[in-house]
Amino acid sequence: GAVVSQHPSRVICKSGTSVKIECRSLDFQATTMFWYRQFPKKSLMLMATSNEGSKATYEQGVEKDKFLINHASLTLSTLTVTSAHPEDSSFYICSAINFLGLQETQYFGPGTRLLVL
Amino acid sequence: GNSVTQMEGPVTLSEEAFLTINCTYTATGYPSLFWYVQYPGEGLQLLLKATKADDKGSNKGFEATYRKETTSFHLEKGSVQVSDSAVYFCALSEKTSYDKVIFGPGTSLSVIP
Repeated sequence: GAVVSQHPSRVICKSGTSVKIECRSLDFQATTMFWYRQFPKKSLMLMATSNEGSKATYEQGVEKDKFLINHASLTLSTLTVTSAHPEDSSFYICSAINFLGLQETQYFGPGTRLLVL
Repeated sequence: GNSVTQMEGPVTLSEEAFLTINCTYTATGYPSLFWYVQYPGEGLQLLLKATKADDKGSNKGFEATYRKETTSFHLEKGSVQVSDSAVYFCALSEKTSYDKVIFGPGTSLSVIP
């Protein structure tokens, strides 16, 4: 079946540095990908919608200059957390939409755990 | 705005017990409703869905019926197994597509032998 991968699976960085997280659709092309953030024991919060070849659409309250999204190809979207701080520590999950005929299915990546020291 | 509420658990059941996880939603219009499951160390997987009122979604022995009159989409399974231990998320989408899925807080289920 369709698979979405994320890299890295976990990352630890120092405060003030930037971290890039990749989301790849492995066997299908995805014009639309989503980035979510999941806090411990909490639900997933949609951060932004990533559209191939155009600017991402951010949800209210999400700083677009803080969380840079680039969807440069039909199989890759990247999320860069700029000048990371401890409060950015979280579990980041991406998903990608796969269209099969008239049906679309959303597939989720395994997530990336970010810890900012 | 649209939102999803579900019992947060954790829920602990013995194998072969009956499972119900309640889910209610608030939405304008006619959303699609979903249950997602997250097994330990894995990504989210779609468990089942329903796109209109009175639809019943089912998969792997799990069922949920879209009840518009009570704005509910409760998840049920007649006999749970240890392998069902996971976190279950109720979710809705504002359209019939999967655009902008809004998730509930998740319910952790542990099934003990």
